[in-house]
Amino acid sequence: KQEVTQIPAALSVPEGENLVLNCSFTDSAIYNLQWFRQDPGKGLTSLLLIQSSQREQTSGRLNASLDKSSGRSTLYIAASQPGDSATYLCAVRDNAGNMLTFGGGTRLMVKP
Amino acid sequence: SQTIHQWPATLVQPVGSPLSLECTVEGTSNPNLYWYRQAAGRGLQLLFYSVGIGQISSEVPQNLSASRPQDRQFILSSKKLLLSDSGFYLCAWTPKGQYSGYTFGSGTRLTVV
Repeated sequence: KQEVTQIPAALSVPEGENLVLNCSFTDSAIYNLQWFRQDPGKGLTSLLLIQSSQREQTSGRLNASLDKSSGRSTLYIAASQPGDSATYLCAVRDNAGNMLTFGGGTRLMVKP
Repeated sequence: SQTIHQWPATLVQPVGSPLSLECTVEGTSNPNLYWYRQAAGRGLQLLFYSVGIGQISSEVPQNLSASRPQDRQFILSSKKLLLSDSGFYLCAWTPKGQYSGYTFGSGTRLTVV
């Protein structure tokens, strides 16, 4: 059974810092990995989708990498801003195709 | 463009009352549809998924059921709510094909009192 772990569980940084969020998964037989953002009381907003054949994806100040063989992904946020404060979730879609397994999330606070 | 709608946004229901949450998708056809629950302090748990009308798969045995009466409509129901059914319920969809990403609705906050 796929298990997804995110470290750290919470992170507080001053505005302007570059930061890295980590995600690891136990079964490397995946189709893709998706990073989401969740604001308090809201739904999930998709940030980046990385297919298993890809190494990284970029969107603005966000860059996500994937090392499928080692079961790891990182989300890099450049020049963090207070508006980046949210919970970030990674999720993997396994080879069965219909299961998206989530990590527990990293709660990020960027202080002005 | 495709959009997903979920309602109501919040709901407070007494123990033992019925439940019906609705999710609809626009701008696509024959999507895969999903219901997830996010309990306080816990991760996202897949409850049900559907690959077509009338086709429902349950991932977790519980007090809830799901139905898909139309291609782009997914309903989560309960005949009698329990306190443990409280949580944040999220609907999601993907196109057919394993390389697609998931798109989530805005969620329903259910409090059972």
